Amino acid sequence: QVQLVQSGAEVKKPGASVKVSCKASGYTFTSYAMHWVRQAPGQRLEWMGWINAGNGDTKYSQKFQGRVTITRDISASTAYMELSSLRSEDTAVYYCATLYGSGYYMDVWGKGTTVTVSS
Amino acid sequence: DIQMTQSPSSLSASVGDRVIITCQASQDIRNYLNWYQQKAGKAPNLLIYDASNLETGVPSRFSGSGSGTDFTLTISSLQPEDIATYYCQQYDNLPRTFGQGTRVDIK
Repeated sequence: QVQLVQSGAEVKKPGASVKVSCKASGYTFTSYAMHWVRQAPGQRLEWMGWINAGNGDTKYSQKFQGRVTITRDISASTAYMELSSLRSEDTAVYYCATLYGSGYYMDVWGKGTTVTVSS
Repeated sequence: DIQMTQSPSSLSASVGDRVIITCQASQDIRNYLNWYQQKAGKAPNLLIYDASNLETGVPSRFSGSGSGTDFTLTISSLQPEDIATYYCQQYDNLPRTFGQGTRVDIK
């Protein structure tokens, strides 16, 4: 079955970086885009960016431009999201997902990775 | 960015009640709207795509309607397992944006 398996929870200090992985299985990895969405405690879902897993093109939300980098490793069917210069407001659950829309017709989410930023 | 505004922010209804959640976009998004259900501690789950199409495996008591700027999610007969927060999300433009969510409880 289609599955996205994310890496485990992280605790980081302010100013550090975090890199979250998302391993895909059950479908052709390069045929879909991978999105990253985060959810701070009690807040709405927030789209961060996406990568075309086929050609590697990326697009980021202006809010995170300069701090977020999304990459992929085709041989490992894995996407990565790295967020730098962490601050306490970045404490959130980070999801990878193949969102429906924009020419893609499958909607599958990972279980989420909790990132806690605390001194 | 396109702003998505849901109402109400929360509601409490009895089992068997009809529940209606609305979502308004700050500009015309045609029918490029998804509805998600998110249960506590879980990832969101797609219910409705393209504003009115039921995702495979989703109970038929869920339905969606609307186009342009105004959209509706209806639960025709609320069930205990429908306790969750519901989000609309537009994909007409990047960045994709979500509504603030509607929390649904059982009275």
